[in-house]
Amino acid sequence: GAVVSQHPSWVICKSGTSVKIECRSLDFQATTMFWYRQFPKQSLMLMATSNEGSKATYEQGVEKDKFLINHASLTLSTLTVTSAHPEDSSFYICSARDQRGTSGNTIYFGEGSWLTVV
Amino acid sequence: AQKVTQAQTEISVVEKEDVTLDCVYETRDTTYYLFWYKQPPSGELVFLIRRNSFDEQNEISGRYSWNFQKSTSSFNFTITASQVVDSAVYFCALSEVGWGKLQFGAGTQVVVTP
Repeated sequence: GAVVSQHPSWVICKSGTSVKIECRSLDFQATTMFWYRQFPKQSLMLMATSNEGSKATYEQGVEKDKFLINHASLTLSTLTVTSAHPEDSSFYICSARDQRGTSGNTIYFGEGSWLTVV
Repeated sequence: AQKVTQAQTEISVVEKEDVTLDCVYETRDTTYYLFWYKQPPSGELVFLIRRNSFDEQNEISGRYSWNFQKSTSSFNFTITASQVVDSAVYFCALSEVGWGKLQFGAGTQVVVTP
């Protein structure tokens, strides 16, 4: 079964509103989670690194005031798209790093969330 | 800086043909991980393989096989006897060891027709 769960899978919102996407690690604690965005027929681009208990680290060109990331617990990171516009319509997917075991770098992806702004 | 190049945008094959997907990467790190993911139309990423940069052994898993050539910075993926269910976008990705964020290639769309 899924070890990283993302919710909602699909969301349609009106232009100007905000929408929140949740990313949960189900059976492990994740001090670090990652948010990616994928436009149609394009690759996945890292938006930001979500750090539990501290501010997120944003990639160059990503507006931190528009894409609010909160990592309030060891199993939950949220991405809030504020004042959404049609150009924000995209597939958003999160991943979490499982540091248990000797490998130290097992990465699990959520199912992804399709955002459509109308 | 890290970079992953998947030069093939789309590959179309007829069922039962073999298909090889190319992946070339650039990194300054001596230790890193390479990945392949499958993305069907539904969007989720299906993990296929992770390879540590120290392990250059080729790997076979059913109809899938991977050829890791550190000398040419390539990590190619072959699907043998392709099936319609193999139709998807395949991504190659690179990550520093111990970090977790992935640099993805552009992806290769594989279309398998009956």
